[in-house]
Amino acid sequence: AQSVTQPDIHITVSEGASLELRCNYSYGATPYLFWYVQSPGQGLQLLLKYFSGDTLVQGIKGFEAEFKRSQSSFNLRKPSVHWSDAAEYFCAVGPPGGGADGLTFGKGTHLIIQP
Amino acid sequence: DTAVSQTPKYLVTQMGNDKSIKCEQNLGHDTMYWYKQDSKKFLKIMFSYNNKELIINETVPNRFSPKSPDKAHLNLHINSLELGDSAVYFCASSHAPAPGGEQYFGPGTRLTVT
Repeated sequence: AQSVTQPDIHITVSEGASLELRCNYSYGATPYLFWYVQSPGQGLQLLLKYFSGDTLVQGIKGFEAEFKRSQSSFNLRKPSVHWSDAAEYFCAVGPPGGGADGLTFGKGTHLIIQP
Repeated sequence: DTAVSQTPKYLVTQMGNDKSIKCEQNLGHDTMYWYKQDSKKFLKIMFSYNNKELIINETVPNRFSPKSPDKAHLNLHINSLELGDSAVYFCASSHAPAPGGEQYFGPGTRLTVT
């Protein structure tokens, strides 16, 4: 069965510092990969996605992620975080080739921004 | 012009009651989903549904049932509510089964069972 691991439950970063959130997946083939962000009391917003092609994908709010097949990883990065980036971040996988199955989510990483 | 909307946003009810949560999407998507987010923020798929098939996560109790009056709506009915049903429930939609369809999420419904 597919699974997603986000090894860091909490990460604290100073405002203006760089950020990397880790995500590893287990899947029979290369799945579709997503990063979502959830602000307190809000729904999930898609930051970026990877389906195929260039392994470095750009998303909204200055985020990017790199797919590394050899490491089964899809880490999220941002060069300089802002206080408004404080939120819960979820990595997710979906079935390759589409399909109506739901996404499998990691347990999330809670990002805290220090002033 | 909210893409995926849910009502109510908050739902407080007693054990044993039956309740429904409504979901509507105006994106023209073919597939809709229900997810449960527990107190530890873990998100788990409960159902996915399009006009051809209903996919049920086998761990979901049969007290939960999705009902789709039309392609734009997927409501969640819960019978005989239990304390453990307390969670945030998210509706989502996508163009699936077409490839490349990311899921768009509603704002969530926080269900509290007392």
